[in-house]
Amino acid sequence: DADVTQTPRNRITKTGKRIMLECSQTKGHDRMYWYRQDPGLGLRLIYYSFDVKDINKGEISDGYSVSRQAQAKFSLSLESAIPNQTALYFCATSNSGKGTDTQYFGPGTRLTVL
Amino acid sequence: SQQGEEDPQALSIQEGENATMNCSYKTSINNLQWYRQNSGRGLVHLILIRSNEREKHSGRLRVTLDTSKKSSSLLITASRAADTASYFCATGGNNRLAFGKGNQVVVIP
Repeated sequence: DADVTQTPRNRITKTGKRIMLECSQTKGHDRMYWYRQDPGLGLRLIYYSFDVKDINKGEISDGYSVSRQAQAKFSLSLESAIPNQTALYFCATSNSGKGTDTQYFGPGTRLTVL
Repeated sequence: SQQGEEDPQALSIQEGENATMNCSYKTSINNLQWYRQNSGRGLVHLILIRSNEREKHSGRLRVTLDTSKKSSSLLITASRAADTASYFCATGGNNRLAFGKGNQVVVIP
């Protein structure tokens, strides 16, 4: 079984809808991240969490919110989806004990907003 | 924030040839990492080099780091069709990673 899972893997929705993307991990890592990837722009950090009680904005948090329900679960919400949020979304984890920031990625969620 | 930038953006080579890609960054770092992404899939960590290291090897991968020039290179020797992917550098520090835009490598069988 994959260490970092994301659901759904694909989603098509309409403008204005509320969407939640979920991420779960079995690696026992304390840190979790949400990124979006757009062609030609690389990965951009949306939100990150260093533990259950810690949530931080990344470089592009506007229009998004997150919830760290447990150490193993980190969900991303789009409160009112818009077409320019169409992208590939990745969840990642890391272990602060390693001190290297090496991250482990989920398989991604392809989101299309019509 | 730190920002990795790869160069060149796209590379097409024959199977068996070596592939080299470069990355530059702007601020001081604790380490620099390279990741591979197969089409539409999650990134996979390949190799990490710390700021006090100059060269590191892992299988067919060789990475160098020049902190005076704020640059790194990734060499894949004896490329295979399965090496076709996008390769990203990421600079580590301040408990976060900053990713570059990626190099697309196509290995022609």
